Amino acid sequence: IAGITQAPTSQILAAGRRMTLRCTQDMRHNAMYWYRQDLGLGLRLIHYSNTAGTTGKGEVPDGYSVSRANTDDFPLTLASAVPSQTSVYFCASRTGVDRASEAFFGQGTRLTVV
Amino acid sequence: GQNIDQPTEMTATEGAIVQINCTYQTSGFNGLFWYQQHAGEAPTFLSYNVLDGLEEKGRFSSFLSRSKGYSYLLLKELQMKDSASYLCAVIDSNYQLIWGAGTKLIIKP
Repeated sequence: IAGITQAPTSQILAAGRRMTLRCTQDMRHNAMYWYRQDLGLGLRLIHYSNTAGTTGKGEVPDGYSVSRANTDDFPLTLASAVPSQTSVYFCASRTGVDRASEAFFGQGTRLTVV
Repeated sequence: GQNIDQPTEMTATEGAIVQINCTYQTSGFNGLFWYQQHAGEAPTFLSYNVLDGLEEKGRFSSFLSRSKGYSYLLLKELQMKDSASYLCAVIDSNYQLIWGAGTKLIIKP
């Protein structure tokens, strides 16, 4: 089934630990995004990638890093987790940034940093 | 800066009609999306407007006025399953998505 998959679906992480959230899509979309969603704040963009091999910083990039080695995968890494990174993380993809295409979302990763 | 405003929360009665407004100030405009997000789930696409006017899709309709920087989502014959958050998003001149904080819609019997 075509779509976008995130792993894990939930995680409890000790502060200071390193963690990688995985995101894979099989729709051959060029653009991919990582958002965090906190109550009352809506979706905030962490990092994005307009095409494989390129990445960019969003609104709240500090403490996070990404890579885009190929079209399908866009992992998000927390180098040293802190409690303020407790959130729900959504990965999304779009056909590209050369047209008005809709975003498709993964099911989300609920991360708790303790 | 870029800004999208939506009411934080709205309450409506089952079977009634509700209108959720969205106003935006963005650097350029290439279209506006409405998404629905049930609690604990991912956002899902509802509608897309790029030209002025009303787009109807079953019980849901979306309206756009580009000159006023304004859109609304109209939900008719409300059902309990319509209880969700509704997100407004604009595509700016760089084809990036700018998101509103979302409107939580509570449906009462």
